[in-house]
Amino acid sequence: DVKVTQSSRYLVKRTGEKVFLECVQDMDHENMFWYRQDPGLGLRLIYFSYDVKMKEKGDIPEGYSVSREKKERFSLILESASTNQTSMYLCASSLNSGTGYEQYFGPGTRLTVT
Amino acid sequence: KNEVEQSPQNLTAQEGEFITINCSYSVGISALHWLQQHPGGGIVSLFMLSSGKKKHGRLIATINIQEKHSSLHITASHPRDSAVYICAYSGGGADGLTFGKGTHLIIQP
Repeated sequence: DVKVTQSSRYLVKRTGEKVFLECVQDMDHENMFWYRQDPGLGLRLIYFSYDVKMKEKGDIPEGYSVSREKKERFSLILESASTNQTSMYLCASSLNSGTGYEQYFGPGTRLTVT
Repeated sequence: KNEVEQSPQNLTAQEGEFITINCSYSVGISALHWLQQHPGGGIVSLFMLSSGKKKHGRLIATINIQEKHSSLHITASHPRDSAVYICAYSGGGADGLTFGKGTHLIIQP
């Protein structure tokens, strides 16, 4: 069974804090993704990575950065948290099969920035 | 502009009914995904398809590439099918998914 774990289910941070969200997968997947989910907007891609130390911007990368030092771990960093980054954050991973691939999601981290 | 349109947004039905959720997209894709999200946040991949039809238990997914349209059907619906169903597409390679806004399904006993 593929397992994608996220470091926290709930997190409360203050405006201006640096926030780290960690994601770990145990199936040797090449691809890893960070999404955020907001009511009325659905899921949107923040960043993705197709290999160690590689990263690509998604649709809404502003205010975020990522780190992938090991294949199994993909971190999302909020350099200076703001209230508009209050959201549900979901990590996912997949094999890189070229034409299409099933994504496996973590349980999500509900982040509140006050 | 959302490139993936789902309908209906909300659907309430009685147990045992046949359910259809529709998804339309506007660009060329490599695969169409159907996902299920239960309250509490967890998302599970139900289907990934690039042509034709797939079936898993009471769930059936179809896609018409020429019309850029996909449907998810649930036969003999049950209250445990109550969830948000999300359509998404992948463009190929390692890029992420583009999602519809989801269909909130409630099956009443």
